[in-house]
Amino acid sequence: IQLTQSPSSLSASVGDRVTITCRASQGISNFIGWYQQKPGKAPKLLIYAASTLQSGVPSRFSGSGSGTDFTLTISSLQPEDSATYHCQQLNSYRTFGQGTKVEIK
Amino acid sequence: QVQLVESGGGLVKPGGSLRLSCAASGFTFSDYYMSWIRQAPGKGLEWVSYISNSGGTIYYADSVKGRFTVSRDNAKNSLYLQMNSLRAEDTAVYYCAREGYQTYYLDYWGQGTLVTVSS
Repeated sequence: IQLTQSPSSLSASVGDRVTITCRASQGISNFIGWYQQKPGKAPKLLIYAASTLQSGVPSRFSGSGSGTDFTLTISSLQPEDSATYHCQQLNSYRTFGQGTKVEIK
Repeated sequence: QVQLVESGGGLVKPGGSLRLSCAASGFTFSDYYMSWIRQAPGKGLEWVSYISNSGGTIYYADSVKGRFTVSRDNAKNSLYLQMNSLRAEDTAVYYCAREGYQTYYLDYWGQGTLVTVSS
C-alpha cells in the first residue's frame, strides 16, 4: 500500500489553520497514524487510528478520514509546530508517506 | 520511563554485515511488538521490519527481505537487526520503536543509530 502526502512542504503564519493530506493507494479503513519529526530527532506519535489524539499531544492537532483519504489538521499553528509530518498505515504491513515539511513564515 | 537505546551502527563496506541492537527499559518488553524503521539522509521514513512480542510473527519490507533478520531476546529486553549484504542504499539512521499495546502504532522511539555503507 502506497501513501501519498500533499503538499510536500508548506509555509504558514502563526495562528493559521494548516491541513495535510495523506491518500492511500487502496482502502485502509482507519488504520493510519500521524507523526511529527523535528530535525535531528526521532518522530513522535501525534494521532492514531485516524482521529485519536495520543496522550500529551496538544488539542490543536486533529485527524480525520477513513478508507483512502485522511487529513491532519493543526487548528492554530504555533512556532513549535515547525517540523516534518509523516503518515503511516497499518492495514497491510506498515508504510509511511513521504513526509510534509511545515515551516513558519 | 520508557527508554529505547540503539547501538551497533557504523561504517561498513558494500557487501558487509552489521548487527544493530536496541536495549529496552521502563516497560514489560515481552508484551510489545517492536519495529525497525530507517531514514536515509534527507529522506522520509521507511519501515524495515516488525516482530511480534513472542517473536513468532515477523515481516520485512521488500527492500531488505532476504538480507536482514530481526530477532529479540525477551530475557534480555533486547531487539536486534542483523544486516547482511549491505548496499549503499541501506545508508540511513536506523530507529527501533515500540508498537503500542493492541494499537500497533509507534508510540516510543529510540534516538537512532547511523549506518553508513561506503567503500
